[in-house]
Amino acid sequence: DTAVSQTPKYLVTQMGNDKSIKCEQNLGHDTMYWYKQDSKKFLKIMFSYNNKELIINETVPNRFSPKSPDKAHLNLHINSLELGDSAVYFCASSLAHNEQFFGPGTRLTVL
Amino acid sequence: DQQVKQNSPSLSVQEGRISILNCDYTNSMFDYFLWYKKYPAEGPTFLISISSIKDKNEDGRFTVFLNKSAKHLSLHIVPSQPGDSAVYFCAASARVGDKLIFGTGTRLQVFP
Repeated sequence: DTAVSQTPKYLVTQMGNDKSIKCEQNLGHDTMYWYKQDSKKFLKIMFSYNNKELIINETVPNRFSPKSPDKAHLNLHINSLELGDSAVYFCASSLAHNEQFFGPGTRLTVL
Repeated sequence: DQQVKQNSPSLSVQEGRISILNCDYTNSMFDYFLWYKKYPAEGPTFLISISSIKDKNEDGRFTVFLNKSAKHLSLHIVPSQPGDSAVYFCAASARVGDKLIFGTGTRLQVFP
């Protein structure tokens, strides 16, 4: 009965590859987010979708493309992976009042 | 430009005593503040929040205090328990539904 789930939990890949991370929430929330936690542990917003519409895009390179097929899913596709993309990516969701519920994270390592 | 700052990277407290975690912010437009707790290899877990119309919010052992004039908030945990050992992040937003800006976190260790 996981509230916000992400797959995969770990992802190791070579530079230049394209990869996707999936996120699903079963809380009935209408807003979903992607955050990146870098090596310095800064947790920063990347994207936010409300009812499948993009509402926040924090100057993320266009190699990153979020896709929201429905309110319960927000996937993150990354093209031409670079070393600097190595980080932990967290998905989150909320209904209102900014109480965001986070997934367990996906640790991406680019070699 | 770090708009939300947690200047203490770590804090060590004895079990049963009070833990006080601090957070400062620079953006006067922030009106909603939250604390999250994070264990290793897990996502952040919501702990407690406070809106700018209040100066205190309490939930069991956890109390958040907001001093708007000083742009400062703090989280008090009393009594501290070993299970409270985790990284604590404060976060702020300018309006409901807006993005959260996180601090860099404070690692709390509660020892017996």
